[in-house]
Amino acid sequence: QQQVKQSPQSLIVQKGGISIINCAYENTAFDYFPWYQQFPGKGPALLIAIRPDVSEKKEGRFTISFNKSAKQFSLHIMDSQPGDSATYFCAASKRNGNQFYFGTGTSLTVIP
Amino acid sequence: SAVISQKPSRDICQRGTSLTIQCQVDSQVTMMFWYRQQPGQSLTLIATANQGSEATYESGFVIDKFPISRPNLTFSTLTVSNMSPEDSSIYLCSALLAGPYKDEQFFGPGTRLTVL
Repeated sequence: QQQVKQSPQSLIVQKGGISIINCAYENTAFDYFPWYQQFPGKGPALLIAIRPDVSEKKEGRFTISFNKSAKQFSLHIMDSQPGDSATYFCAASKRNGNQFYFGTGTSLTVIP
Repeated sequence: SAVISQKPSRDICQRGTSLTIQCQVDSQVTMMFWYRQQPGQSLTLIATANQGSEATYESGFVIDKFPISRPNLTFSTLTVSNMSPEDSSIYLCSALLAGPYKDEQFFGPGTRLTVL
């Protein structure tokens, strides 16, 4: 059973546009929600993370929006650039837990 | 963040042989993990590498097939035993490091394994 559901599977965005990737979860024990960026041939790299006591976190062009009541969170990439083309994974981990549960990934292509 | 290295970065192996993948972290960490990632797919946790005790395996993975060692707080190995083409995948190690809110997970660059 997939603990974290991610959509879309793939996304094509024009340069300068906004890329939006969505994730949803059911387990209310989750209290930490990171996003990872993975380029071909590389390991996933931690991009940005949010905890459930805030509704939004912004770092540069990357923003996480978090809706606790809906149990959903999303990654917004503003002014998308070709260099942002990568696979993005959302994840969740539990309060007092060490295991991370990953979404299925979104392949983002930003076309010039 | 930590620097996590893996060796080898890639290998091509024959069916029936075994390969040991090494993972080195540049600082002491309490938790290390091994994942498998099929090309274009998500991450599947194989096991938690416990320092000083046997690894904890996820459903579908067994010690005889994927023996893991964790001799100290900075190093772990994963062996893929008696390989078959179905074992062709990317193998990733990761470690938990203290973050501002809770422990954060960082990944190595991965080992791309092809079994012929």
